[in-house]
Amino acid sequence: DADVTQTPRNRITKTGKRIMLECSQTKGHDRMYWYRQDPGLGLRLIYYSFDVKDINKGEISDGYSVSRQAQAKFSLSLESAIPNQTALYFCATSDLGRSDTQYFGPGTRLTVL
Amino acid sequence: GENVEQHPSTLSVQEGDSAVIKCTYSDSASNYFPWYKQELGKGPQLIIDIRSNVGEKKDQRIAVTLNKTAKHFSLHITETQPEDSAVYFCAASLGSSASKIIFGSGTRLSIRP
Repeated sequence: DADVTQTPRNRITKTGKRIMLECSQTKGHDRMYWYRQDPGLGLRLIYYSFDVKDINKGEISDGYSVSRQAQAKFSLSLESAIPNQTALYFCATSDLGRSDTQYFGPGTRLTVL
Repeated sequence: GENVEQHPSTLSVQEGDSAVIKCTYSDSASNYFPWYKQELGKGPQLIIDIRSNVGEKKDQRIAVTLNKTAKHFSLHITETQPEDSAVYFCAASLGSSASKIIFGSGTRLSIRP
């Protein structure tokens, strides 16, 4: 589903580097989310935003920051990447008031060496 | 904190047989329970959901059941087909708002020909 896109799809970086993962959506949804997926741990919420001026921490926000540049764009930053941030990262969107379904992007595989 | 436990972590069934995945949740205020399917290399996609005012819901070969008293909910797939092979995640809303959900750890379902 190309309605939610993530860039890059794959990224290899080194410890201490700053990394930005980007998410864009054409669904017109208000709500956007960043999740992290690790084997055996499911998906864990990092940050979420219910509109452009609303940013909230999730379950595992330490070491991450986000920016909601517009309704359609939500970026995740790792200020100083560390190896245990190696994971699959997903962006998701949902529509306030219409449906609770979350629509996920294709994911970004991040490796921190 | 609140959590969702999911079992089994892996499941292998013969094509045509049924598959059952079970989840328990801890937040007594949870009232929305979605199930997501994740195919290889893709983001999770909603396949069915149930709310706390309903005990069972069906959609073709897929059904979900909910026992609020026991805080259990389950996914049932009948007449399994090769395309059902994927990772399945259960989730529960955090509190009574479905805007935030917490995921189980996932079940890798394999369909044997």
